[in-house]
Amino acid sequence: EAQVTQNPRYLITVTGKKLTVTCSQNMNHEYMSWYRQDPGLGLRQIYYSMNVEVTDKGDVPEGYKVSRKEKRNFPLILESPSPNQTSLYFCASSRDRGDEQYFGPGTRLTVT
Amino acid sequence: GQQLNQSPQSMFIQEGEDVSMNCTSSSIFNTWLWYKQDPGEGPVLLIALYKAGELTSNGRLTAQFGITRKDSFLNISASIPSDVGIYFCAGHGVGTSYGKLTFGQGTILTVHP
Repeated sequence: EAQVTQNPRYLITVTGKKLTVTCSQNMNHEYMSWYRQDPGLGLRQIYYSMNVEVTDKGDVPEGYKVSRKEKRNFPLILESPSPNQTSLYFCASSRDRGDEQYFGPGTRLTVT
Repeated sequence: GQQLNQSPQSMFIQEGEDVSMNCTSSSIFNTWLWYKQDPGEGPVLLIALYKAGELTSNGRLTAQFGITRKDSFLNISASIPSDVGIYFCAGHGVGTSYGKLTFGQGTILTVHP
């Protein structure tokens, strides 16, 4: 089944404790992206990647890192999480940068 | 940056009624996409539009890519309870914004049986 998977689905952590949210797609898509969703603010892009080893900042990149060492994986790294990064995070992928994006199931992160 | 204004913010309708929502922007978009999000899930693509003026249907859903490339609407006919959810428009910009997907703030749809 063609899909985007994320892990974990739920995570509660403390301020400053490094964490990684994994994202994987099995559709051989070139383009992958991370979004955060907050009430009243909709979906905002954090980082995106147009291909292996090619990443770029989205609208709200501060406090986040990403890497794209393999085509199928695009992990999101929070080196020192803060409470304002409490949010619902989605990974998405598409065949190419201008195509429709397919979303993972989401990761709900709480930073205390 | 580019912004999408989606309206209405919420709708409360009776089962069987038709629904219409729209998105507008001051910028031109190359692609318009409509997504539905159920509670606790990721957005699911409903309809993709690639050409100005394009009118596309998917079952009871119909969407159009505005001729000015600055707007799009989504209609749902004969609503049913499972239509409940949040509907988002999204668009791919042009030029330096090509490939960047901008989202509207969503329309929360409630359907009363």
